[in-house]
Amino acid sequence: GDSVTQMEGPVTLSEEAFLTINCTYTATGYPSLFWYVQYPGEGLQLLLKATKADDKGSNKGFEATYRKETTSFHLEKGSVQVSDSAVYFCALVSLVNQAGTALIFGKGTTLSVSS
Amino acid sequence: KAGVTQTPRYLIKTRGQQVTLSCSPISGHRSVSWYQQTPGQGLQFLFEYFSETQRNKGNFPGRFSGRQFSNSRSEMNVSTLELGDSALYLCASSQGQGRTEAFFGQGTRLTVV
Repeated sequence: GDSVTQMEGPVTLSEEAFLTINCTYTATGYPSLFWYVQYPGEGLQLLLKATKADDKGSNKGFEATYRKETTSFHLEKGSVQVSDSAVYFCALVSLVNQAGTALIFGKGTTLSVSS
Repeated sequence: KAGVTQTPRYLIKTRGQQVTLSCSPISGHRSVSWYQQTPGQGLQFLFEYFSETQRNKGNFPGRFSGRQFSNSRSEMNVSTLELGDSALYLCASSQGQGRTEAFFGQGTRLTVV
């Protein structure tokens, strides 16, 4: 079945450091790909998305490119801030039963940024 | 536009009881999905409703059920609660057409004692 694999955390960085969180997927067909972020005690917030190969999603300084050849969707940010400390989830939308959809998530990567 | 609203935010229940959680989707969204989040299993899909019909179901026992009303609001019910049902239950709404993005509520934290 479809699946998402994320790098294990936690990731600990100093403010202004470069961030990469790796994400690879296995899916039949051409899924849409997402990054969600979860702050402590909160639900999930959509960070960015890409719906087809070579699409680049971006938001709040974060970027990820849909790479079909490597089945990857790595999250990057050039300069992290303390406020970026959160758990990041890579996800894909799987078409089920030809109509319905279900998000399949990676296990999440905890990012901790210190000043 | 108001976001996804889940009520209540916190619940404490006793083993064997049942519980009902509520979700109001974003206005105009017709699809509501439910997810369970636990430290051990991560985020797992429970079921999806679209236009009052269950369109998909994840791999959970029959104790977990749901429904959707004509105004797209949804409820999920868990009967005969077990300790392992303690989790954050997240509701997500989307337009429901194709692979559009889903927007999540803040979740209901259920603790079974």
